[in-house]
Amino acid sequence: DGGITQSPKYLFRKEGQNVTLSCEQNLNHDAMYWYRQDPGQGLRLIYYSQIVNDFQKGDIAEGYSVSREKKESFPLTVTSAQKNPTAFYLCASSINPHRAEAFFGQGTRLTVV
Amino acid sequence: SQQGEEDPQALSIQEGENATMNCSYKTSINNLQWYRQNSGRGLVHLILIRSNEREKHSGRLRVTLDTSKKSSSLLITASRAADTASYFCATDAGLTGGGNKLTFGTGTQLKVEL
Repeated sequence: DGGITQSPKYLFRKEGQNVTLSCEQNLNHDAMYWYRQDPGQGLRLIYYSQIVNDFQKGDIAEGYSVSREKKESFPLTVTSAQKNPTAFYLCASSINPHRAEAFFGQGTRLTVV
Repeated sequence: SQQGEEDPQALSIQEGENATMNCSYKTSINNLQWYRQNSGRGLVHLILIRSNEREKHSGRLRVTLDTSKKSSSLLITASRAADTASYFCATDAGLTGGGNKLTFGTGTQLKVEL
């Protein structure tokens, strides 16, 4: 089945640790995105990538890093510099450049303990 | 920054009734999309309306777009309990060099009661 897979579903992090969230898609999409969702709020864009080996900062990139070494994969690292990392993280992909519909993974809930 | 703002924030209706949600945005757009999110899950694309379209239908969904007022509405007719979810509008202003950047609103929580 084609789709976009995020793992793990739940992640716990101690303060000061870096953690990496996985996002894999087999839809052959060029563009991939990471969003953060806080309770009662909409989605805010962290990073996006339109093509392999290229990515751009979104609206709230501070404290996060990404890589795009393969078309299928767009991992997000939440670094210790992110002061409030507890949130629901959503990965999405879309065909580039003319199709705007985004396909989302099921999300990773990150909690700092 | 949030581009879209949905109204109302929460809506509770009886099964069989119609549900209307509104979205306002601030800048020029290429298209506007509506997504649905069940609690704790990812978003699912519902419908896309382009900036040169005024109305679009998909099953029980009807979307309107008024670019002069920078607003859109989503109507769900004959609602069902399974429609209970959060609904988000997302605006696409495009990116230099192609691709799209979706900016999401804060969402409307819809509850459909039996």
